[in-house]
Amino acid sequence: DSGVTQTPKHLITATGQRVTLRCSPRSGDLSVYWYQQSLDQGLQFLIHYYNGEERAKGNILERFSAQQFPDLHSELNLSSLELGDSALYFCASSARQGIDTIYFGEGSWLTVV
Amino acid sequence: AQKVTQAQTEISVVEKEDVTLDCVYETRDTTYYLFWYKQPPSGELVFLIRRNSFDEQNEISGRYSWNFQKSTSSFNFTITASQVVDSAVYFCALSLTGGGNKLTFGTGTQLKVEL
Repeated sequence: DSGVTQTPKHLITATGQRVTLRCSPRSGDLSVYWYQQSLDQGLQFLIHYYNGEERAKGNILERFSAQQFPDLHSELNLSSLELGDSALYFCASSARQGIDTIYFGEGSWLTVV
Repeated sequence: AQKVTQAQTEISVVEKEDVTLDCVYETRDTTYYLFWYKQPPSGELVFLIRRNSFDEQNEISGRYSWNFQKSTSSFNFTITASQVVDSAVYFCALSLTGGGNKLTFGTGTQLKVEL
């Protein structure tokens, strides 16, 4: 158990809908990351927050947005969902802003039908 | 730009065999970090090791060992006396000091250990 908690674990939704994935980092970790794992793209970095502020953006679509709240939990919002958004979405956390070991949650399986 | 290549898509071994998973990376940075993660069938990503570019010492942890060679830009992972529980997808990843803490992953190697 990495200590990173993600909900929901599984989600099935229709195209065009909006979903929110939630993440609680490990106790004491200030950095939160979101990654997407799909069959065609592999593991892709989406976004990094540190202590509530966005620090880096990767291949995150404009339909997707994220935020980190004062209690350090984070949410990833996915809107106008398409079939291609079906993937495993990982949240991860680390203690620091810079290079550090990143610990991943169990992921949220999103299926868009 | 950085890149991680795991050329072995799938490896099958019989239990108790040794197996080496290859990882080759590309970066122009002189300071970087390399990681290995394990993804069992249940789906979670489990951290195995982190190594910085200035530390080329090999590391051993139980049945796991890692061989880091800057001269060939490789960071290979060996499992000795493999077990069925080692069956998983293994990912190698690279992080640059100037890139925050973003991980660039390889495509992974599926390891199947059979009885």
